[in-house]
Amino acid sequence: DTGVSQDPRHKITKRGQNVTFRCDPISEHNRLYWYRQTLGQGPEFLTYFQNEAQLEKSRLLSDRFSAERPKGSFSTLEIQRTEQGDSAMYLCASNGRENTGELFFGEGSRLTVL
Amino acid sequence: DQQVKQNSPSLSVQEGRISILNCDYTNSMFDYFLWYKKYPAEGPTFLISISSIKDKNEDGRFTVFLNKSAKHLSLHIVPSQPGDSAVYFCAASWGKLQFGAGTQVVVTP
Repeated sequence: DTGVSQDPRHKITKRGQNVTFRCDPISEHNRLYWYRQTLGQGPEFLTYFQNEAQLEKSRLLSDRFSAERPKGSFSTLEIQRTEQGDSAMYLCASNGRENTGELFFGEGSRLTVL
Repeated sequence: DQQVKQNSPSLSVQEGRISILNCDYTNSMFDYFLWYKKYPAEGPTFLISISSIKDKNEDGRFTVFLNKSAKHLSLHIVPSQPGDSAVYFCAASWGKLQFGAGTQVVVTP
């Protein structure tokens, strides 16, 4: 399968713990995006990378959130000191074309903070 | 601020009939508009798009219409099939994608 891969698919953690999600984009895609989706809402933009450069971060991305894409391939999204409000589906997407908006999404990592 | 809005959270349609999903936007800088389909426990999948310089794009059973003066787009699915039952997201692009809240479509036999 050469699609976007995310790991883990589901993470349950206690409030205050740190969690990390990994995303492997489609191999030839240089743009990588992170979105968050909560129940009843559409995906909300968090941040995006072109190769290893993080070019934009949403105001939704508080200081407890950090994303990296060290070699321009896979990316990680870390949430420190998780809060119950962080419970959501975290979606990764990639795009290798000029920005027509067409993104290829992974299946998501669902975070539940108890 | 919500720049892409889908005001109908749900739509029920009979198999074989037309499904019409609506979307409104506020930012005139958007250059592409897209529809994504999402099944439970899966990520959204791209369905169809339209450039802001066009007013219609058709792909099989799916047609997207864009009315720039009204800042409105719609997705027509005809004929609707049971496999079309899913959540449909409208999205608009200007550097990054912004999504509406989605419309749950249920196609009944």
